[in-house]
Amino acid sequence: KNEVEQSPQNLTAQEGEFITINCSYSVGISALHWLQQHPGGGIVSLFMLSSGKKKHGRLIATINIQEKHSSLHITASHPRDSAVYICAVKANTGNQFYFGTGTSLTVIP
Amino acid sequence: NAGVTQTPKFQVLKTGQSMTLQCAQDMNHNSMYWYRQDPGMGLRLIYYSASEGTTDKGEVPNGYNVSRLNKREFSLRLESAAPSQTSVYFCASSEALVGDTQYFGPGTRLTVL
Repeated sequence: KNEVEQSPQNLTAQEGEFITINCSYSVGISALHWLQQHPGGGIVSLFMLSSGKKKHGRLIATINIQEKHSSLHITASHPRDSAVYICAVKANTGNQFYFGTGTSLTVIP
Repeated sequence: NAGVTQTPKFQVLKTGQSMTLQCAQDMNHNSMYWYRQDPGMGLRLIYYSASEGTTDKGEVPNGYNVSRLNKREFSLRLESAAPSQTSVYFCASSEALVGDTQYFGPGTRLTVL
């Protein structure tokens, strides 16, 4: 049983395309995180959300608490955006963190 | 600031050997975490420390022990390594347990033969 599901698992886009990665979760949460894992393995936190929408440069993250769903959008995608994007939730009981298996994004020049 | 550092970067063990993975952060964060990452399974929480002096089990604690030595350092110990513990281990820290960005270390790639 996966508490966090992401789609798609793999995504290939042409440079400049608008990209959407989806995350659905099944537990009550106090926060949702979007992470980026570079090809070398390093993990960077992109966003932490508990409601609404956040924007940072070309990246936008939204969350719908009622529908238990979040999306990560990348506008004007670039080859340097190629990475694995991971959705994670902090459950509001038991202090557990659950992670999706990631979406592997490749942006072709 | 170095952020979150982990040692070693790579390690090969034989079944039954023991070792300790070290993690340190210089951001004065209260909370620290140990995760493992396996292909096709995503990251899974092993143990966490909400604040200095406290530790709690995560999703997959069996076979591991942890020590929050002080506010900066959080170590993960494998007492008797098994091939199933072959994985990449990440340490992370955050200001607080709830509602704060986590900062990750570079990872330790462990192979148990």
